[in-house]
Amino acid sequence: NAGVMQNPRHLVRRRGQEARLRCSPMKGHSHVYWYRQLPEEGLKFMVYLQKENIIDESGMPKERFSAEFPKEGPSILRIQQVVRGDSAAYFCASSPEYGYTFGSGTRLTVV
Amino acid sequence: RKEVEQDPGPFNVPEGATVAFNCTYSNSASQSFFWYRQDCRKEPKLLMSVYSSGNEDGRFTAQLNRASQYISLLIRDSKLSDSATYLCVVKQGNTGGFKTIFGAGTRLFVKA
Repeated sequence: NAGVMQNPRHLVRRRGQEARLRCSPMKGHSHVYWYRQLPEEGLKFMVYLQKENIIDESGMPKERFSAEFPKEGPSILRIQQVVRGDSAAYFCASSPEYGYTFGSGTRLTVV
Repeated sequence: RKEVEQDPGPFNVPEGATVAFNCTYSNSASQSFFWYRQDCRKEPKLLMSVYSSGNEDGRFTAQLNRASQYISLLIRDSKLSDSATYLCVVKQGNTGGFKTIFGAGTRLFVKA
């Protein structure tokens, strides 16, 4: 069991470009959660997805951010027209009934 | 008021010391409680669940006080390798949906 896999580990984008972050949950888990962690801050919930369904997107910014978890393939967090304030660590987690297992995160730097 | 509050620290303690962290939560309907550990620039990892009866795992003891709505983590005989940020996590909800809230974390530095 390879655990929760995220890629890329590091992503550099210029302002205005698009960022795509990928997450494959643990084998047997069909729930994916995305969190953002700004420097020196705690984890902030963004979105909770099951296969082909968005369950809770209450933490997603209203514009430029979207997420999907297709029937086949990884979950994708997409950020359009990135700005400097999007620079953060983005963690994906999958969940059994109790407790999360996190991927090692994608560190997005917007220059 | 934040839904989950922690003292950000940092706590600077010598090796061998005992250190305690507290965390308060605002929603009395919260159901599950956890402590996570996060090393610098790494992902959070589950340290232990927290039960009303209290639970212990080696040098770590977690307690839950539902009446006062706080959770504690006690680390005995601190090691250098305990240096990390400790996140308090509260899970709310029911079969209709769960919401998990992370505290901002408490930083611990253990010195030789």
